[in-house]
Amino acid sequence: GENVEQHPSTLSVQEGDSAVIKCTYSDSASNYFPWYKQELGKGPQLIIDIRSNVGEKKDQRIAVTLNKTAKHFSLHITETQPEDSAVYFCAAKGVQFYFGTGTSLTVIP
Amino acid sequence: DTAVSQTPKYLVTQMGNDKSIKCEQNLGHDTMYWYKQDSKKFLKIMFSYNNKELIINETVPNRFSPKSPDKAHLNLHINSLELGDSAVYFCASSLRGGRGNTEAFFGQGTRLTVV
Repeated sequence: GENVEQHPSTLSVQEGDSAVIKCTYSDSASNYFPWYKQELGKGPQLIIDIRSNVGEKKDQRIAVTLNKTAKHFSLHITETQPEDSAVYFCAAKGVQFYFGTGTSLTVIP
Repeated sequence: DTAVSQTPKYLVTQMGNDKSIKCEQNLGHDTMYWYKQDSKKFLKIMFSYNNKELIINETVPNRFSPKSPDKAHLNLHINSLELGDSAVYFCASSLRGGRGNTEAFFGQGTRLTVV
């Protein structure tokens, strides 16, 4: 089955700095890569996704890149704000969703 | 207008009891899931149903039994609860299962505590 690794597990940045979270996957048949943000006491919510026929996607301060050859994908958050503090999950989907182990992001005001 | 709703939000029960968690989605999705999130925040798939039929059953003890009366509902029944069952359980749904590349929508979670 699929194996998704996510790094780092914790990340602290100063407000206004950038944050980068990286994931790798193992199953070359995976074709959809969503990123979820989970705030305390809530369920994960999609923030951005990328499909296997695209290398990069941007939505305001959030961008995702995908390297299918290397089986890497990354989340980039620019100009971080305190409300970006949360746990972020990457996922790879072939037949089902496989989630990374999560990154706890803290943005220090 | 909650898209994926699950009840209850909190559940505290004693070892050995039987309990159920209900989930409903009003998105018209074909596929529903149950995930278990442990204290380290790992999200692990338990079950996946497509149009009321079980398509994925990961290595879950048979004390856990999902039931899907229709494609908008996927309930989780747990028999003989154990301490290790304490976790947050998330229901989710997506438009298509299989290799369909559509997002999953999650419920707010049910925090189960077994004492």
